[in-house]
Amino acid sequence: QKEVEQDPGPLSVPEGAIVSLNCTYSNSAFQYFMWYRQYSRKGPELLMYTYSSGNKEDGRFTAQVDKSSKYISLFIRDSQPSDSATYLCAMSSGNTPLVFGKGTRLSVIA
Amino acid sequence: EPEVTQTPSHQVTQMGQEVILRCVPISNHLYFYWYRQILGQKVEFLVSFYNNEISEKSEIFDDQFSVERPDGSNFTLKIRSTKLEDSAMYFCASSVKENTIYFGEGSWLTVV
Repeated sequence: QKEVEQDPGPLSVPEGAIVSLNCTYSNSAFQYFMWYRQYSRKGPELLMYTYSSGNKEDGRFTAQVDKSSKYISLFIRDSQPSDSATYLCAMSSGNTPLVFGKGTRLSVIA
Repeated sequence: EPEVTQTPSHQVTQMGQEVILRCVPISNHLYFYWYRQILGQKVEFLVSFYNNEISEKSEIFDDQFSVERPDGSNFTLKIRSTKLEDSAMYFCASSVKENTIYFGEGSWLTVV
């Protein structure tokens, strides 16, 4: 079983839709969970950072962590064409390197 | 907003040549990293650096690779004798604490 699994997509939605992006993981030691946005041939841009379980909201973005199910989500409300990018989940146990998912490619169609 | 800067943005090199990729981390950050991403694949950890020494390295980071912090601002990755399979995007990253990690725009290395 891979350490972090993420559906690569592509995911195509109309402008204004709510987008749900997800990752599952196998390592119960993971405590720190991050979502990055990556445009083509650019570096990952940190969007959301969550410690342990729970929800965190920042503008149109909401991150959720369910440690009992080893499942994390990123929701994007009122999606815009500028949100079109690849979204990477990443996680660590705190004193170990970040482990990334493969990324989900999102297209928001105007 | 402070950012991690990397040079060069793109380098083409012949197999067997040495390459140095350079990074200027965010100024008050204490932890420094190199990751790489082969086209179409996951971002992979190479090495982390703290307090002027390597704190962790992956199995990818073999004897061909080395890192240095030659002065108070720069952080470099050297590949001694490049192979075709070293072709990838190399990302430098830095953080204050170990988990909120900020990435640079990357250096695209093509080995021919």
